[in-house]
Amino acid sequence: EPEVTQTPSHQVTQMGQEVILRCVPISNHLYFYWYRQILGQKVEFLVSFYNNEISEKSEIFDDQFSVERPDGSNFTLKIRSTKLEDSAMYFCASRDRTSNTEAFFGQGTRLTVV
Amino acid sequence: GQQLNQSPQSMFIQEGEDVSMNCTSSSIFNTWLWYKQDPGEGPVLLIALYKAGELTSNGRLTAQFGITRKDSFLNISASIPSDVGIYFCAGTGNQFYFGTGTSLTVIP
Repeated sequence: EPEVTQTPSHQVTQMGQEVILRCVPISNHLYFYWYRQILGQKVEFLVSFYNNEISEKSEIFDDQFSVERPDGSNFTLKIRSTKLEDSAMYFCASRDRTSNTEAFFGQGTRLTVV
Repeated sequence: GQQLNQSPQSMFIQEGEDVSMNCTSSSIFNTWLWYKQDPGEGPVLLIALYKAGELTSNGRLTAQFGITRKDSFLNISASIPSDVGIYFCAGTGNQFYFGTGTSLTVIP
């Protein structure tokens, strides 16, 4: 069964460093999302991406964050100059071209900023 | 993105009890979805609802798509320890919006 895959599963980085979280969405999907979940808290929307551009973003998704679909298969989230409070699980999700369909989530990347 | 409001935020129940949780929105959706997140995992789809008023079951789970298209509920009957996790609703149309989550703890 097709699935969304995320790498790495766990990343530890020093405060101030840049990180890139990688996602491979399901191959025929066209809508892509990033969510964040701080330990023990709710899942928070970061950004949605369609047709090679951001379609919607939350107030969390400030200039520190960027997304890219560099090669038609990967979907990346870059966090510049990480802060301690960026420590969280980051989930990628994708959806196909049809409206009203479910999004499929990856297993997540646990980011720890030290 | 808009977030959907779920209630309750958390529940602690005895094994064998039934569970009910709901999700509301200020917007209309074409599809309502319910996901479960096990600890350390990504959310996994449980039930999808495509029509207002629709009532759908998946084993011990039953979900309904509200008539107004602005709400949905999920019931779990005869809870068991492996029902533990966070349950999320989601609404979709042209966009996809995720709920705030209900954390369920089942006490054996």
